[in-house]
Amino acid sequence: AQKVTQAQTEISVVEKEDVTLDCVYETRDTTYYLFWYKQPPSGELVFLIRRNSFDEQNEISGRYSWNFQKSTSSFNFTITASQVVDSAVYFCALSEAISSLYGKLTFGQGTILTVHP
Amino acid sequence: DTAVSQTPKYLVTQMGNDKSIKCEQNLGHDTMYWYKQDSKKFLKIMFSYNNKELIINETVPNRFSPKSPDKAHLNLHINSLELGDSAVYFCASSQIGLAGGRGSYNEQFFGPGTRLTVL
Repeated sequence: AQKVTQAQTEISVVEKEDVTLDCVYETRDTTYYLFWYKQPPSGELVFLIRRNSFDEQNEISGRYSWNFQKSTSSFNFTITASQVVDSAVYFCALSEAISSLYGKLTFGQGTILTVHP
Repeated sequence: DTAVSQTPKYLVTQMGNDKSIKCEQNLGHDTMYWYKQDSKKFLKIMFSYNNKELIINETVPNRFSPKSPDKAHLNLHINSLELGDSAVYFCASSQIGLAGGRGSYNEQFFGPGTRLTVL
């Protein structure tokens, strides 16, 4: 069974601070995919990144960076120099590459990030 | 051009009524999904269809019946609505590639959501 835990329910920072959102996952599969999605106050779900289990390279995209560590089953997300527009709920998600599940995404509980001006 | 669209965006109805939510994707994906997001923001998959065939049914009450007339559409019909059905329902789509029975797939793209309120 797959499980995703985002232990931080809410985080509050002041603009320009760096913030890291934690994500820990559980899976018995050797091939799986990890995702981060952003849900701004407007409500839509915006895809941020996908990472497969064989690719442990960290990734940076502008102010966003992701740290994938299989040894600790973690896929953490860091926002550098946060901005008010980063305020949103962030979801980490996992999918096992088993055909019978056809892309079933298991989401973490979400972390509410509030960036104050 | 909207990639994944849902109608209606808001749905307010009385307990016991039957309602439908429509979803369409123009991405050419072969797999579509319905998710439910509760008041605590928790997202949970309900159904998944691959090439019009039901693949995942996550212990959803029989009152919920998905219908996929073609690969680009996945509608959700709900009978005898209950207060607990109030939530935001998201449709999503993705392209799944299978190799040796295992999936290798791309991210899911979500529709804007339908906020269902049952009074």
